[in-house]
Amino acid sequence: EVQLVESGGGLVQPGGSLRLSCAASGFTVSSNYMSWVRQAPGKGLEWVSVIYSGGSTYYADSVKGRFTISRHNSKNTLYLQMNSLRAEDTAVYYCARELVGATSYYFDYWGQGTLVTVSS
Amino acid sequence: AIQLTQSPSSLSASVGDRVTITCRASQGISSALAWYQQKPGKAPKLLIYDASSLESGVPSRFSGSGSGTDFTLTISSLQPEDFATYYCQQFNSYPHGFTFGPGTKVDIK
Repeated sequence: EVQLVESGGGLVQPGGSLRLSCAASGFTVSSNYMSWVRQAPGKGLEWVSVIYSGGSTYYADSVKGRFTISRHNSKNTLYLQMNSLRAEDTAVYYCARELVGATSYYFDYWGQGTLVTVSS
Repeated sequence: AIQLTQSPSSLSASVGDRVTITCRASQGISSALAWYQQKPGKAPKLLIYDASSLESGVPSRFSGSGSGTDFTLTISSLQPEDFATYYCQQFNSYPHGFTFGPGTKVDIK
């Protein structure tokens, strides 16, 4: 059974750092495309970052230069290192596995989410 | 980047109703669109991908259609467990990333 479990969220001051983890089971993280998607309280979904099986990474403009996506193959775990955090980064952060469809890419499995609150 | 709009932003419906939600892309995206359902406090759940392909395990009362710029999600007979917010999503090849629609909240009339 495919499962994604996020951890590492919490309260952090503006300008601070946090590292989120997403432990996967039932499939191999390094063989898949993996993303982070966030949702601010009461708002919609916003894609944050992706790491492809080959290692290429991409970021939303809103986090470029501040966030870094990575993975640990032997731990089968995805990470999101978040630096220079701002109030507007406050959100529930989900990790998600990408499904390669016939015409595009979608998210077929999601974790339960971890809440990041940036506040003084 | 391609933008997605959804209509309506919210709707009230009764159990058994036929419900249709629309997603419009700012440029043609062929059939490269997905639909998700999200309930409060839960992660989104993939319902439809490639505009009309039903994800495994999703009830057949959900269907998707459309191509180019206009897409619809239809629930043929609304069930109590279907009250939720629905999002459409597409992939941008440049700049590289994903875009979600703003969501449509379906609640009980």
